[in-house]
Amino acid sequence: DIQMTQSPSSLSASVGDRVTITCRASQAISNCLAWFQQKPGEAPKSLIYEVSSLQSGVPSRFSGSVSETDFTLTISSLQPEDFATYYCQQYKSYPITFGQGSRLDIK
Amino acid sequence: EVQLVESGGGLVQPGGSLRLSCVASAFTFSDHYMDWVRQAPGKGLEWVGRLRNKANSYTSEYAASVKGRFTISRDDSRNSLYLQMNNLKTEDTAVYYCVRLGLKTTPYYCDYWGQGTLVTVSS
Repeated sequence: DIQMTQSPSSLSASVGDRVTITCRASQAISNCLAWFQQKPGEAPKSLIYEVSSLQSGVPSRFSGSVSETDFTLTISSLQPEDFATYYCQQYKSYPITFGQGSRLDIK
Repeated sequence: EVQLVESGGGLVQPGGSLRLSCVASAFTFSDHYMDWVRQAPGKGLEWVGRLRNKANSYTSEYAASVKGRFTISRDDSRNSLYLQMNNLKTEDTAVYYCVRLGLKTTPYYCDYWGQGTLVTVSS
């Protein structure tokens, strides 16, 4: 199985900050990487697919990129509604696997 | 607006069975692959399985943890996806989400999620 390792597991930031979350795959996954946002008590919401393609309706302050084996989710200027847990997912091969999550709190 | 509405969750004893349903609306359900994803209380997301569309012979994939116990099916005439869960274990306790896969690129990717239904396996 492909292991997805996210870092950091948790972080604190302020409104207006630029934030990056990283996800590393244990094997090559090409561009088959997605990001999801989950707020407490809610279902996950799809943010990004294919490394950097934004889902419909997702604000442009969210972006995704890749450098070698490290995939990155960047929020350019944090808004109050962005405080949540973020998950990466590889869908290159079965079983589909998720990172363990990165919790973003208000500083 | 795309909607996925799960139902059928509840309390079941270990070794018991349960069938979850997911009703889809506002899109052509029969075109899409569908996933089930679960989340144990306080834990992360775990992929459960996938069911392809008719064009791909309704074939399926499962996580090792549920293979042989869980079966995914669909009724395209009812815009519905199902998860039959047998021989349930306490570790199957989770919120179960129905997830649509988007079709813009391949491999297909998750795009819309239902609100989830809670399954509790306990004696």
